[in-house]
Amino acid sequence: DGGITQSPKYLFRKEGQNVTLSCEQNLNHDAMYWYRQDPGQGLRLIYYSQIVNDFQKGDIAEGYSVSREKKESFPLTVTSAQKNPTAFYLCASSPYRAAPIEGANVLTFGAGSRLTVL
Amino acid sequence: GQSLEQPSEVTAVEGAIVQINCTYQTSGFYGLSWYQQHDGGAPTFLSYNALDGLEETGRFSSFLSRSDSYGYLLLQELQMKDSASYFCAALNQAGTALIFGKGTTLSVSS
Repeated sequence: DGGITQSPKYLFRKEGQNVTLSCEQNLNHDAMYWYRQDPGQGLRLIYYSQIVNDFQKGDIAEGYSVSREKKESFPLTVTSAQKNPTAFYLCASSPYRAAPIEGANVLTFGAGSRLTVL
Repeated sequence: GQSLEQPSEVTAVEGAIVQINCTYQTSGFYGLSWYQQHDGGAPTFLSYNALDGLEETGRFSSFLSRSDSYGYLLLQELQMKDSASYFCAALNQAGTALIFGKGTTLSVSS
């Protein structure tokens, strides 16, 4: 079955450590996204990528980095510069290039990664 | 920038009808989407309104009025499984990524 796989599901990190969250999709979608979710805050956009080797900052990119070397993969690194990294991280994809506006509205999400900084 | 406002909580009983409103302020507007998220789960797409009017999908309907910068999600014949958070969303100014409201938590009781 096609879908998005995020790993790990739970992650604990000490302050000052970088951590990388994995996101893999087999939907053949062009666009991929990372969102952060905190209680009562909805989903906030961190980074997104519409094509391999290109990505754009979202509203809260500071302290995060991404890469898009393959169409299927969009890993997110939470760096030590992120002041409050404890959160639920959601990866998503969309068939953006097939139907730019309509496609960008229909996101498929992974199950999420919950990061806790100790 | 984009901002979407929706109520934080709504409560209802099984079998009832509930409406979740969303008002938006956007630099560019490409339509309004709705997502459902059960506690601890992933958001799932419910509907997308590109044009004014009502879109119906089973027990769920979504409405958009561009002139009022307003939309709503209507849930009919509520069931316990409808207890979840519901998010409205709109594309950013460039039309390349979704920006979400803070979500409305719906609690359905028997």
